[in-house]
Amino acid sequence: EAGVAQSPRYKIIEKRQSVAFWCNPISGHATLYWYQQILGQGPKLLIQFQNNGVVDDSQLPKDRFSAERLKGVDSTLKIQPAKLEDSAVYLCASMPGGAWNEQFFGPGTRLTVL
Amino acid sequence: AQSVTQPDIHITVSEGASLELRCNYSYGATPYLFWYVQSPGQGLQLLLKYFSGDTLVQGIKGFEAEFKRSQSSFNLRKPSVHWSDAAEYFCAVGAMEYGNKLVFGAGTILRVKS
Repeated sequence: EAGVAQSPRYKIIEKRQSVAFWCNPISGHATLYWYQQILGQGPKLLIQFQNNGVVDDSQLPKDRFSAERLKGVDSTLKIQPAKLEDSAVYLCASMPGGAWNEQFFGPGTRLTVL
Repeated sequence: AQSVTQPDIHITVSEGASLELRCNYSYGATPYLFWYVQSPGQGLQLLLKYFSGDTLVQGIKGFEAEFKRSQSSFNLRKPSVHWSDAAEYFCAVGAMEYGNKLVFGAGTILRVKS
């Protein structure tokens, strides 16, 4: 079974530029998560999707971050404009739908904002 | 609010010695408990999980953890550490009452000395 795929793996941008990350979850997984992991901290949830609907985006900085999950499969996370403090690893995870289960994580995208 | 505390930022143990990583949580619901490991530049890999039943759970790579409800703890243990265990370890807690979201601790970096 293929795991969660993310691209790009690394990205370096200047502040005020925009950037987008892509995630392809495990086939059939209804729930998709985006996490932000700042150096020295644990992952923090940004947004949770169930199929193509948003379940929780309470910690997403909506003035600059946006995310979508068209057709309930792939997802993109966008930052526009980026700030220095957005430098982090962005992790995507997926989970089968229904009752609570294990979340499967992708390798992450390391973003550096200069 | 839900919170997860990993009191030790860094731990150093000798190869072959035993290991215990601490995790305490504050949750207003029956928790689901997880330990993940992250090697440099890698995504999160699940070591073990507790949903219900036997409070001593076995995981991969020889790790085990014990859920102690009275102490709100879920400590990770390994009887004999290998050099390849050097990584960062994250405790995470979730609950269906909180929408199947994970809250992570800040992580414990394990160093293994030969």
